Amino acid sequence: DADVTQTPRNRITKTGKRIMLECSQTKGHDRMYWYRQDPGLGLRLIYYSFDVKDINKGEISDGYSVSRQAQAKFSLSLESAIPNQTALYFCATSLGLAGGGEFGETQYFGPGTRLLVL
Amino acid sequence: GNSVTQMEGPVTLSEEAFLTINCTYTATGYPSLFWYVQYPGEGLQLLLKATKADDKGSNKGFEATYRKETTSFHLEKGSVQVSDSAVYFCALSDRRRGYSTLTFGKGTMLLVSP
Repeated sequence: DADVTQTPRNRITKTGKRIMLECSQTKGHDRMYWYRQDPGLGLRLIYYSFDVKDINKGEISDGYSVSRQAQAKFSLSLESAIPNQTALYFCATSLGLAGGGEFGETQYFGPGTRLLVL
Repeated sequence: GNSVTQMEGPVTLSEEAFLTINCTYTATGYPSLFWYVQYPGEGLQLLLKATKADDKGSNKGFEATYRKETTSFHLEKGSVQVSDSAVYFCALSDRRRGYSTLTFGKGTMLLVSP
């Protein structure tokens, strides 16, 4: 089984709808991240969480919210989806210093969710 | 702020050709540097990394050396294969700030033909 899973893998929704993307991990990592990937723009950080009680905005958090329900689960919500949120969304995890990791720790990515907002 | 610049693609090569993908960075502090690879339809996976100046990361025949004086981390491979066709991302993580969010370049697509 994959260590980092994302559901759904594909989603089509309409403008104005609220949707949630979910991420689960079995790696035992404390840190989790949400990125979006757009052609020609690379990956941009939306939100990140270093433990269950810690939530931080990334560079493009407007229009998004997150919830860290447990150490292993980190969900991303689009409160009112708009077409320019059409993108490929990735969840990632890493093991921070507090958990025994090291500076420059590797991030492990899920397979992605392809979202289309009509 | 931090930034990563990598050469635009696509880079098109024949099998067994030599590969270089350039990457330069701007960062405050002492970043760790990474190359991630994304195969078609998949998420990103770490290819190699270097955490301090002059370190060389290597994996699967790919190499990159952390050059602080030129703020570069160029990816090289001596003989590419068709299976190396993918998108390659250079990234940095700023150590000084005590946490490790990644700043990515825009990615370089590599296409290798038989």
